[in-house]
Amino acid sequence: AQKVTQAQTEISVVEKEDVTLDCVYETRDTTYYLFWYKQPPSGELVFLIRRNSFDEQNEISGRYSWNFQKSTSSFNFTITASQVVDSAVYFCALSEEVGYSGAGSYQLTFGKGTKLSVIP
Amino acid sequence: GAVVSQHPSRVICKSGTSVKIECRSLDFQATTMFWYRQFPKKSLMLMATSNEGSKATYEQGVEKDKFLINHASLTLSTLTVTSAHPEDSSFYICSASDLRQSGNTIYFGEGSWLTVV
Repeated sequence: AQKVTQAQTEISVVEKEDVTLDCVYETRDTTYYLFWYKQPPSGELVFLIRRNSFDEQNEISGRYSWNFQKSTSSFNFTITASQVVDSAVYFCALSEEVGYSGAGSYQLTFGKGTKLSVIP
Repeated sequence: GAVVSQHPSRVICKSGTSVKIECRSLDFQATTMFWYRQFPKKSLMLMATSNEGSKATYEQGVEKDKFLINHASLTLSTLTVTSAHPEDSSFYICSASDLRQSGNTIYFGEGSWLTVV
């Protein structure tokens, strides 16, 4: 069974500090996808990144960066120079294909989320 | 713009009544959609997989007679909470995959806040 663990329930940082959100996953699939979503208080899920299991290159997008370590089954997310607008709950998720390979759809297993509070 | 749309975004209903939530894929066909539920300050839990033209597949612990799912067309899935009770108050969100796109592209609806009073 797939499992996603976000051990940090809540994190508070002062504005402009860097913060890393941890994500550890478990899966038996050899092909899988990992995601990070941001959920502001309004509730909608904001897509941040998708990474497939064969691409271990780290990615940087502005102040956001992601470190995918397949050897440790981790997909950590770092926000550099945090801002108040970054305050939200962040979810790490793992996708599993439903249906036969190549033609199915994808359901997600979510971690419990990490609530980030950036204090001005 | 949104490619998966949910309606209503917020609904308040009386205990004992039923409420329907719609999930539409706007510019692609989705043979499969997923319904998630999120309790306050909790993670999103998969409730069921909605399959076009066939019965939905429910996750363990989810009452299929209470949460009726109908996927009558390739662009619409509905979730009906029947005989709602206050404990059904929650945030419900759907997702769908656009299989035309390579890789794994999952779109979420905006979510629906249900409050049962």
